[in-house]
Amino acid sequence: GDSVTQMEGPVTLSEEAFLTINCTYTATGYPSLFWYVQYPGEGLQLLLKATKADDKGSNKGFEATYRKETTSFHLEKGSVQVSDSAVYFCALSDQARAQKLVFGQGTRLTINP
Amino acid sequence: ETGVTQTPRHLVMGMTNKKSLKCEQHLGHNAMYWYKQSAKKPLELMFVYNFKEQTENNSVPSRFSPECPNSSHLFLHLHTLQPEDSALYLCASSRELAGSSYNEQFFGPGTRLTVL
Repeated sequence: GDSVTQMEGPVTLSEEAFLTINCTYTATGYPSLFWYVQYPGEGLQLLLKATKADDKGSNKGFEATYRKETTSFHLEKGSVQVSDSAVYFCALSDQARAQKLVFGQGTRLTINP
Repeated sequence: ETGVTQTPRHLVMGMTNKKSLKCEQHLGHNAMYWYKQSAKKPLELMFVYNFKEQTENNSVPSRFSPECPNSSHLFLHLHTLQPEDSALYLCASSRELAGSSYNEQFFGPGTRLTVL
């Protein structure tokens, strides 16, 4: 079945550092890919998405590119802030079952001032 | 404020208790979901309701019983749970449009459940 694998956390960085959180997936067909973020005490929020190969999703300085050849959707940000501290989830949905999101295990990110 | 509220936010129950989790969405959506978030495991979809009809049951044990009386409310009734059922239970909603490949799911803050 479909699956998503994220890099193990936790990840700790200093403010203004470059961030990469790796995500790879296994799926039949052509899934849509997502990054969700969960701030402390809150539910998940959609951060960005890409629905086809080579699409780049971006939001709040974060970017991720849908790479079909490497089945990857790595999350990047050039300069992180303390307010970016959260848990980040990579997810996919299959076109045939669009409502069924398959999530990675989440990566906890802590940014120190 | 995501427009999806969940009550209670925290719940401690014994294995013989019966309790219910409540979710309400104020977004005019027509689909609602229950997810389970356990420590060190991926988020798991439990149930999906579309227009009050259950369309997905992801092999969830019968000690979890969902109820969707209308498109704005979703309940999860719990009885004779096990300690391994302790987790964060998240509700989500979305506006499902015919022919759309994906519609964003909006999540509530969750109910932290502890089963003793």
